Amino acid sequence: GQQLNQSPQSMFIQEGEDVSMNCTSSSIFNTWLWYKQEPGEGPVLLIALYKAGELTSNGRLTAQFGITRKDSFLNISASIPSDVGIYFCAGTTSGTYKYIFGTGTRLKVLA
Amino acid sequence: KAGVTQTPRYLIKTRGQQVTLSCSPISGHRSVSWYQQTPGQGLQFLFEYFSETQRNKGNFPGRFSGRQFSNSRSEMNVSTLELGDSALYLCASTLSGSGTQYFGPGTRLLVL
Repeated sequence: GQQLNQSPQSMFIQEGEDVSMNCTSSSIFNTWLWYKQEPGEGPVLLIALYKAGELTSNGRLTAQFGITRKDSFLNISASIPSDVGIYFCAGTTSGTYKYIFGTGTRLKVLA
Repeated sequence: KAGVTQTPRYLIKTRGQQVTLSCSPISGHRSVSWYQQTPGQGLQFLFEYFSETQRNKGNFPGRFSGRQFSNSRSEMNVSTLELGDSALYLCASTLSGSGTQYFGPGTRLLVL
């Protein structure tokens, strides 16, 4: 199936460090969503982006909709142990709710 | 406001059987999408329903089907189960016009 390129695949960081991850697509998207998933649960929406260049924050999380509309970035500042999980990006084109998901970034935070 | 609910949470079936999964969207959300999540393929779109009509469809065989009721609740059915159908099945609801999808906790299906 179709998936977005998401990197890095996994990250091991120290508590307090900042984290960056990104997604790239061969297609132009009109909406980007970022999710976090913990074991045994469904993905939880973190941030939604609707236009190119948009920069949106949710607490320590900041995401950007790339200018080319083919990429998006998520930053987590001052990581804490509860940030552990798998982060997914998802994108879709205008007029459809058929989202394509990234391969996920597995984040582990060492206290 | 209550979130997306899915039942059952866990299910064990044998090859050749069929299964029906249920999803209740967030109140006021009329779009319901279904996804399959596996370690190998990640999150894959199955289909989306809006106002009782299938609006979008992914690349899954006809054994996978769904429907939506007038109260926006949705069901997904898989017939003639195969071992490879073992997965976490996720339902997501979307408020029309927002594009923002909210997921339920999923139904974990194991096919033996």
